[in-house]
Amino acid sequence: GAGVSQSPRYKVTKRGQDVALRCDPISGHVSLYWYRQALGQGPEFLTYFNYEAQQDKSGLPNDRFSAERPEGSISTLTIQRTEQRDSAMYRCASSLALRPGTQKENYGYTFGSGTRLTVV
Amino acid sequence: EDQVTQSPEALRLQEGESSSLNCSYTVSGLRGLFWYRQDPGKGPEFLFTLYSAGEEKEKERLKATLTKKESFLHITAPKPEDSATYLCAVHDQGAQKLVFGQGTRLTINP
Repeated sequence: GAGVSQSPRYKVTKRGQDVALRCDPISGHVSLYWYRQALGQGPEFLTYFNYEAQQDKSGLPNDRFSAERPEGSISTLTIQRTEQRDSAMYRCASSLALRPGTQKENYGYTFGSGTRLTVV
Repeated sequence: EDQVTQSPEALRLQEGESSSLNCSYTVSGLRGLFWYRQDPGKGPEFLFTLYSAGEEKEKERLKATLTKKESFLHITAPKPEDSATYLCAVHDQGAQKLVFGQGTRLTINP
């Protein structure tokens, strides 16, 4: 597609329910990143993939959070047993660059519009 | 641990009043420093990447500069449409992810 697409745009869920957030990156982008952004703050890293391989999941807050990208394109971020503190904007980004230093001018991420998650 | 601190948190200017936003960073080895613009309700939009101290890049009324410890985003004769949150992020040579600052919320009054 023309941009990074995230769905749903808004999600309200009850505490204890599981949620799945979807990201469809720009076609051909090999790297995909998940970030979480609180109101008035910058994006906070969660995890990223190169192709289908999850390279770094050090930012995932706890084991209720998981992500996958089975075919190297669409990714799903799953939060199990949601808690109110999970409420935030979840943003996905993709980039052409795989290894730092290659394709320098395409090195910036392209972000999606995000999924606003509210846990009640 | 990589750290990025932006100042001020918020800045209000009159149209045409030039100013600068600051981004101070701490990384073990800088591979790139990024500036993004974020409008309310939208994702960050890529503006610039700077790779080495002394480098400068310009786009319309914006100019980004880089030293070994900080970056400045200079805005010249701003217009109301320049109002947005400006985010700075660093890429450490030891990792592929970007680490973001908290942003500067810029408001330009007509």
